[in-house]
Amino acid sequence: EAGVAQSPRYKIIEKRQSVAFWCNPISGHATLYWYQQILGQGPKLLIQFQNNGVVDDSQLPKDRFSAERLKGVDSTLKIQPAKLEDSAVYLCASSLEREVVNEQFFGPGTRLTVL
Amino acid sequence: GQSLEQPSEVTAVEGAIVQINCTYQTSGFYGLSWYQQHDGGAPTFLSYNGLDGLEETGRFSSFLSRSDSYGYLLLQELQMKDSASYFCAVKNYGQNFVFGPGTRLSVLP
Repeated sequence: EAGVAQSPRYKIIEKRQSVAFWCNPISGHATLYWYQQILGQGPKLLIQFQNNGVVDDSQLPKDRFSAERLKGVDSTLKIQPAKLEDSAVYLCASSLEREVVNEQFFGPGTRLTVL
Repeated sequence: GQSLEQPSEVTAVEGAIVQINCTYQTSGFYGLSWYQQHDGGAPTFLSYNGLDGLEETGRFSSFLSRSDSYGYLLLQELQMKDSASYFCAVKNYGQNFVFGPGTRLSVLP
């Protein structure tokens, strides 16, 4: 079974530039999550999709971050414009829809550096 | 608001037993999960507690007390490869997740 795919793995941009990350979840996983993990901290949920609908985006900085999952499969997360404090690893995870445990499977992440 | 607390660092020797505690404050608590993350790697799922009590999975066990808003991860027969960060994560009704700050475990030879 293929895992969660993310690209790119690394990205370096200057502040005020824009950047986009892509995620392809495990086949059949209806729930998709985007997390931001700053070095030395726990993952912070940015947005959660159930199929192509948003379940929770309460911590997404909507003035600069956007995410979509148009066909209920893969997803993109965009930052525009980037700030220095956006430097972090952006993790995508997926899980089955109807599961008590909600085990999340994480992709390798995209390490973003904003200069 | 929601908050989780974990010790920032724990050190133990190979073969020993270590317990990593997690206390939480949240509304609509549903269950507690534990994840392991090696440096530069992605978090991987270890265990889940939805009910009070102990869940055992090989060398790892996890405990939950809903009345005390407390849980722990117990690692037995520690190995060098267990050196990693460990995160507790609360699942709330409404399905959203909050991760703790993480505990960095160092296993010494």
